[in-house]
Amino acid sequence: DGGITQSPKYLFRKEGQNVTLSCEQNLNHDAMYWYRQDPGQGLRLIYYSQIVNDFQKGDIAEGYSVSREKKESFPLTVTSAQKNPTAFYLCASSASESSYNEQFFGPGTRLTVL
Amino acid sequence: GQNIDQPTEMTATEGAIVQINCTYQTSGFNGLFWYQQHAGEAPTFLSYNVLDGLEEKGRFSSFLSRSKGYSYLLLKELQMKDSASYLCAVVDSNYQLIWGAGTKLIIKP
Repeated sequence: DGGITQSPKYLFRKEGQNVTLSCEQNLNHDAMYWYRQDPGQGLRLIYYSQIVNDFQKGDIAEGYSVSREKKESFPLTVTSAQKNPTAFYLCASSASESSYNEQFFGPGTRLTVL
Repeated sequence: GQNIDQPTEMTATEGAIVQINCTYQTSGFNGLFWYQQHAGEAPTFLSYNVLDGLEEKGRFSSFLSRSKGYSYLLLKELQMKDSASYLCAVVDSNYQLIWGAGTKLIIKP
């Protein structure tokens, strides 16, 4: 079955530690996205990538980093510079960046920084 | 700035009909999506509108008026499993999705 996987579903880290969230897709999609979701707020774009070895900052990129070495993979690192990292993180992909830009989402990772 | 407004929460009765509204002000418009998100899960696609009018898909319908910057999602014959958040998202002139905060729909027996 084609889809997007994120692991782990729940992640706990101590303050000051970097942590990497994985995102893998086997849909052969070109574009991939990382969002953050906080209670009562819409999805906020962290980073996106339209092609391998290229990515752009979204609205809230500070304190995060990404890489896109393979088409299937788009890991997100939450660094110690992120002031308030506790949130629900969603990875998504789409066939291409076009008007009909339906995005398919992974199950999400809930990160809690203690 | 870009803005999408949806009611925070709505309550409806099982078997009834509910309409969830979404108004938007964005830099350009290349379509509007509705997604459903159950608590703690990923959003799933419901509908996409780019032309004015009503799109019907089973129990769910979505309406768009570009001149008014307005859309609604209509859910008929409500079931308990429809309890979820419903997210409105607009594709702007840069083909980026701008998301509303979502409407939490509570279905009562």
